[in-house]
Amino acid sequence: DAKTTQPTSMDCAEGRAANLPCNHSTISGNEYVYWYRQIHSQGPQYIIHGLKNNETNEMASLIITEDRKSSTLILPHATLRDTAVYYCIVSPRKTNAGKSTFGDGTTLTVKP
Amino acid sequence: SAVISQKPSRDICQRGTSLTIQCQVDSQVTMMFWYRQQPGQSLTLIATANQGSEATYESGFVIDKFPISRPNLTFSTLTVSNMSPEDSSIYLCSAFGTGNEKLFFGSGTQLSVL
Repeated sequence: DAKTTQPTSMDCAEGRAANLPCNHSTISGNEYVYWYRQIHSQGPQYIIHGLKNNETNEMASLIITEDRKSSTLILPHATLRDTAVYYCIVSPRKTNAGKSTFGDGTTLTVKP
Repeated sequence: SAVISQKPSRDICQRGTSLTIQCQVDSQVTMMFWYRQQPGQSLTLIATANQGSEATYESGFVIDKFPISRPNLTFSTLTVSNMSPEDSSIYLCSAFGTGNEKLFFGSGTQLSVL
């Protein structure tokens, strides 16, 4: 699987948009970009994934650059409960998606 | 979506003993996995639990230390054998379901070895 690079930590004001970047310059054509988050003392939670088009769901939006070498996860109105470690992963969707390699992630702290 | 129940949620064990962690999924899934998360670190894949056959272990993990069973599509166990303090970690069960495109995780087992 391609490796990802994320900033170690980020802060965001409550109510503002949180934009979390991820670099995946070695991504291959069949690899999807997945985002998970892990709130303290819980198991990771799926957020969103995409291949090349931008995606949006009830939790977040995912913006993937045209060359697919980087992406941004957007939490449109961050709340204190969004404080967590956010993991960006690239993986083939079907055959090997379960064997995802988790990097160190970005610790997002939402402040009042 | 799939709900994954894991137990025990935490345990404190003595060196040299073994602990078996159970993972139950509320729906049939194709693939089940076990991860370890050492204190302050990210997740590391231990193995893929294969139904009715031996698990597939990642580099650095062996069956004698982490025997895994998966007797059916919705249940798996991970045993941490002959424990030492270095085994103190969170152990997480996860599953990838048919038709789904994402991993679901249990809430983890916090293991402390004295």
